[in-house]
Amino acid sequence: DGGITQSPKYLFRKEGQNVTLSCEQNLNHDAMYWYRQDPGQGLRLIYYSQIVNDFQKGDIAEGYSVSREKKESFPLTVTSAQKNPTAFYLCASSSARGNEKLFFGSGTQLSVL
Amino acid sequence: GQNIDQPTEMTATEGAIVQINCTYQTSGFNGLFWYQQHAGEAPTFLSYNVLDGLEEKGRFSSFLSRSKGYSYLLLKELQMKDSASYLCAVLDSNYQLIWGAGTKLIIKP
Repeated sequence: DGGITQSPKYLFRKEGQNVTLSCEQNLNHDAMYWYRQDPGQGLRLIYYSQIVNDFQKGDIAEGYSVSREKKESFPLTVTSAQKNPTAFYLCASSSARGNEKLFFGSGTQLSVL
Repeated sequence: GQNIDQPTEMTATEGAIVQINCTYQTSGFNGLFWYQQHAGEAPTFLSYNVLDGLEEKGRFSSFLSRSKGYSYLLLKELQMKDSASYLCAVLDSNYQLIWGAGTKLIIKP
């Protein structure tokens, strides 16, 4: 079955540490996205990519980095510069950026130790 | 600024009907989405409206009025499994999705 796989489900970060969240899709989608979800707030876009080897900052890119070396993969690194990283992170994909519906991964809950 | 408003929480009874409203002020409009999200899980697509009117899909229907900047999601014959958050999102003129904070729907027996 096609879908998006995020791992790990839960992740803990120590002070000053970088952590990487994995996102893989086998839907053959061109566009991939990373969102952050905090209680009581709407989803906020961190980064998105419309094609391999290209990505753009979203609304809250500071303290995060991404890569898109393969069509299937769009990992997110939460760097030590992100001072408030505790949140639920969602990866999504769509066939194209625009009015296509999004398919989401199951999410990663990141907490700070 | 851009804004999406939804009620924070609603309660309804199993077997009943509930309407979840969404109002928006955005820079342009290229469509409105509704997603369902169970706690700790991924959002899943429910509906997409770009023209005014009602779109029916089984127990769920979605309505749009572009002139009023208003949409609603109507859930009929409520089941316990419908307990979830319902997210409204608008695609603006730059084809960026603007998300509401979601409405938590609690279904009581």
